[in-house]
Amino acid sequence: EVQLVESGGGLVQPGGSLRLSCAASGFSFSNYEMNWVRQAPGKGLEWVSYISGSGSTKYYADSVKGRFTISRDNAKNSLYLQIDSLRAEDTAVYYCARKVAAKGDAFDIWGQGTMVTVSS
Amino acid sequence: DIQMTQSPSSLSASVGDRVTITCRASQYISTYLNWYQQKPGKAPKLLIYAASSLQSGVPSRFSGSGSGTDFTLTISSLQPEDFATYYCQQSYTIPRTFGQGTKVEIK
Repeated sequence: EVQLVESGGGLVQPGGSLRLSCAASGFSFSNYEMNWVRQAPGKGLEWVSYISGSGSTKYYADSVKGRFTISRDNAKNSLYLQIDSLRAEDTAVYYCARKVAAKGDAFDIWGQGTMVTVSS
Repeated sequence: DIQMTQSPSSLSASVGDRVTITCRASQYISTYLNWYQQKPGKAPKLLIYAASSLQSGVPSRFSGSGSGTDFTLTISSLQPEDFATYYCQQSYTIPRTFGQGTKVEIK
């Protein structure tokens, strides 16, 4: 079964850090570009970051640039998001999502999400 | 950044109704437009990609159309399991932007 499973969320104080993980299974992970998307409570979806299959190309939303770092370990079939200097407005469910070039670059597989709460 | 505007933001409909949701991009995006369905507490699910292609396993009552800047998602006969929030997303350029969502509720 093709699957993405996120972990690493939790409650953190403003200014703190977290490392989110996304474990992939059921497909050739290194062949796919990956993304992080977040959703604040009661709000819509916000794209956060992208990484190429090799990990050589990365993009970020302006709202997280300089504070978030995306990475991947293809040997471990894992995607990561290091989030630093956390702010209250970073409180959200964070999803990892697989991008499929053959489907117009749509995100065809999503994880279940991991909640990040930034509060003192 | 490309702004994606959906309308309406919410709608009430009955089982069996034909429902149409529109999405407008602030600039040209060809057919790089995708539709997702999200139910409460769940991850989004891809319904339509490249404006009009049905994702595998998605019922044929869902269809998409449009190109350039104006797009439409249609549910031909609303079913109980279709009550959810729907999002459009452009995959033409970075940053990938989503519409604000359309919540489909039971009348």
